[in-house]
Amino acid sequence: GENVEQHPSTLSVQEGDSAVIKCTYSDSASNYFPWYKQELGKRPQLIIDIRSNVGEKKDQRIAVTLNKTAKHFSLHITETQPEDSAVYFCAARGTQGAQKLVFGQGTRLTINP
Amino acid sequence: GAVVSQHPSWVICKSGTSVKIECRSLDFQATTMFWYRQFPKQSLMLMATSNEGSKATYEQGVEKDKFLINHASLTLSTLTVTSAHPEDSSFYICSASWLAGVGEQYFGPGTRLTVT
Repeated sequence: GENVEQHPSTLSVQEGDSAVIKCTYSDSASNYFPWYKQELGKRPQLIIDIRSNVGEKKDQRIAVTLNKTAKHFSLHITETQPEDSAVYFCAARGTQGAQKLVFGQGTRLTINP
Repeated sequence: GAVVSQHPSWVICKSGTSVKIECRSLDFQATTMFWYRQFPKQSLMLMATSNEGSKATYEQGVEKDKFLINHASLTLSTLTVTSAHPEDSSFYICSASWLAGVGEQYFGPGTRLTVT
């Protein structure tokens, strides 16, 4: 089945700097890659997603890139703000088993003012 | 956007008792619902996938007789933790989708279960 690895596990950046989180996946047939932001004790919130027919997608300060050949995708946050501090999860949707989402281990992002 | 609710938001129960958690899609019909468990500082781990009117599909290592899932309608799925033990204490989150392989999953707010 699908396996998703996420790095780094923790990331600390200065306010205004950029943050990059990377994920790799194992199932070359996976076709959907969402990113979620989760604050303590709350539900995961979808912040951006990308499908396998697209290499890059941007939404204001957030962008995601996908390299299907290398089977990795990345989240880029520019001009970081304190409210960006949270845990971020990548996920991949495979093609087996009801096409469930498989999550990465999570990255705790801290924005230092 | 699509809204998913869960009830209760938190529950404390004694060891050996059973607890039922409800997951509802409020403004759409969910053909598929997913149940996740999240331990502190860990990722979401899928427990099972349920389709309306059929038996749930459990992930490897998840005891189907302990975690009973019922998806009786297109807007409601329930997870019952039977004979709960302290190690079952966790954050349980459901998600719902109307097209499991195509559409986005919409997450509920989660239920914090503490077993004493």
